[in-house]
Amino acid sequence: SSELTQDPAVSVALGQTVTITCRGDSLRSYSATWYQQKPGEAPLFVIYGENNRPSGIPDRFSASRSGNTASLTITGAQAEDEADYYCSSRATRIFQPWLFGGGTKLTVL
Amino acid sequence: QVHLAQSGAEMKKPGASVRVSCKASGYTFTDYYIHWVRQAPGQGLEWMGWINPNSGDTNYAQNFQAWVTMTRDTFITTVYMDMRLGPGDTGVYYCARQALADSSFDHWGQGSLVTVSS
Repeated sequence: SSELTQDPAVSVALGQTVTITCRGDSLRSYSATWYQQKPGEAPLFVIYGENNRPSGIPDRFSASRSGNTASLTITGAQAEDEADYYCSSRATRIFQPWLFGGGTKLTVL
Repeated sequence: QVHLAQSGAEMKKPGASVRVSCKASGYTFTDYYIHWVRQAPGQGLEWMGWINPNSGDTNYAQNFQAWVTMTRDTFITTVYMDMRLGPGDTGVYYCARQALADSSFDHWGQGSLVTVSS
């Protein structure tokens, strides 16, 4: 079972703002990385560190972290943002030092 | 540019072993850890382990420790993931490069589908 918990599905109207959350004890110590995955494709990292966007990722993607919760916010969601989103972080367990959340399916209406 | 090119799809029987390769190009191979991540059909991402291409050191997730071996060949800048397969191991296996600055995976291979069926 995943030790990072995400809501299975979230929907947003086109052009509106949506927040995807990720909860887990490891987030008290480590920042989250957020990945976007579209059907049939490999994941793509969209946020790393506390709130850094890789080159080519639109600035409508942002992130934050507080306590045991990390959040990914898409401000002005576009149709092409419809995808699965996964959070990931380091963990303190020796035999499971990397974690992924279960993923959130984002639907843009 | 950075590219991770994985081997093609495989179909195996339970109890067989599979080797998935991941050829790296476009950067200094020994400078970056490579991780392996599995995705079962319709499921999420599952971290399997990493290999340090410089030293060959590895670290496996507890769920995979008894079944997986990761190796590398620095001369051909390729990482391998060998796995003894059980019935539930069908999925897409990805290699991914860990960024230098933090724990993110900044480049991914295209994925290799492994189908386990008797």
